[in-house]
Amino acid sequence: EVQLVESGGGLVQRGGSLRLSCAASGFALSYYSMNWVRRAPGKGLEWLSYITSGSTTIWYADSVKGRFSISRDNAKNSLSLQMSSLRDEDTAVYYCARGSGYGGYHMDVWGPGTTVTVSS
Amino acid sequence: NFMLTQPHSVSESPGKTVTISCTGNSGSIDSNYVQWYQQRPGGAPTAVIYEDDERPSGVPDRFSGSIDSSSNSASLTISGLKTEDEADYYCQSYDTNKIIFGGGTKLIVL
Repeated sequence: EVQLVESGGGLVQRGGSLRLSCAASGFALSYYSMNWVRRAPGKGLEWLSYITSGSTTIWYADSVKGRFSISRDNAKNSLSLQMSSLRDEDTAVYYCARGSGYGGYHMDVWGPGTTVTVSS
Repeated sequence: NFMLTQPHSVSESPGKTVTISCTGNSGSIDSNYVQWYQQRPGGAPTAVIYEDDERPSGVPDRFSGSIDSSSNSASLTISGLKTEDEADYYCQSYDTNKIIFGGGTKLIVL
């Protein structure tokens, strides 16, 4: 079964750091671009970051540029998101999503999400 | 900055047809593919339309997507509404070095 599972969420203090992981199973991560997306309480989906299969192209949303860093280990079939200088507004459910189709911009497989709570 | 605008909410009765719009604020929406995602409460998003009008395997043909260049809009149409269609729906496209989601539309089936 094709599956993504996020981990690493939790409670973190404002200004702190957290590393999220996304484990892929049922397919080879190396063939796909990947994304991180979040949904804050009472808000809509917000795209955060995109990485191509070989890590040659990486994009970030303006809201996280300079604070978050996406990376992948194709040998371990895993994706990561290193988050630092966390703010209250980073509180959200974080999803990893597989990119498919033209440019990898269609997110065809999603994980169940992991919750990050930033507290003072 | 390229943005996608959706109505905050729409409501319709079971068995009817509803259309959710997604309007681009600049450029041509038909220049880049549009995807649509459904997110039920407590669940992860799932794609219901990709590349403007393609349906992923397993998505019923009650769901369809289209592009209207004259209004710079994409639309998701759901026919034969069921109570299980009640969810949040998001359009998504891309621009230079970024991926964009619309603000989302809450579909109420009552």
